[in-house]
Amino acid sequence: ILNVEQSPQSLHVQEGDSTNFTCSFPSSNFYALHWYRWETAKSPEALFVMTLNGDEKKKGRISATLNTKEGYSYLYIKGSQPEDSATYLCAFRGQGAQKLVFGQGTRLTINP
Amino acid sequence: EPEVTQTPSHQVTQMGQEVILRCVPISNHLYFYWYRQILGQKVEFLVSFYNNEISEKSEIFDDQFSVERPDGSNFTLKIRSTKLEDSAMYFCASIRGLYGYTFGSGTRLTVV
Repeated sequence: ILNVEQSPQSLHVQEGDSTNFTCSFPSSNFYALHWYRWETAKSPEALFVMTLNGDEKKKGRISATLNTKEGYSYLYIKGSQPEDSATYLCAFRGQGAQKLVFGQGTRLTINP
Repeated sequence: EPEVTQTPSHQVTQMGQEVILRCVPISNHLYFYWYRQILGQKVEFLVSFYNNEISEKSEIFDDQFSVERPDGSNFTLKIRSTKLEDSAMYFCASIRGLYGYTFGSGTRLTVV
């Protein structure tokens, strides 16, 4: 059974501070790792799709790294803003598979 | 930007009743999916659909569930006889190529 774990489950950060959280996934049969940002009552918003070991992607103040050999990815947010408050989901896709296997999410709250 | 549209946003149904959840995927996408999230649990895969047939399904997707793409635009999930444990947020997603799943904003199904 594929298992994807995210930590921490929730996080409170002061506005302006930087933060990061982790997604761990199976290190074998890797195809892609997806990061989503999900606000309540909205569609999960795609942040990154990462495919290559050592990949580092950036979108504004948000960046992500990927280590497929050890099976983890980090998401970093620099200079947190209240609008960054959301649940951040990672999802693993294996070789030959169509489905995504999700972690439980990290719920981020930015305190003004 | 193209969107995946789901209706209704919230549905309440009595146990044992049939429900149909509707989705309009992005028009040039080729693969379609249903996922669900029971409150407090991970987002979990239900079924994928390609070329007018189911390409993969999970153990959850038993005989009570069915999917259809009746008219080339809508993609529906039917639950024949709802149970209390079917209460969840149901997400539709679509993808054209290898990456870039686009999710709808979900239908919250409450079975009473």
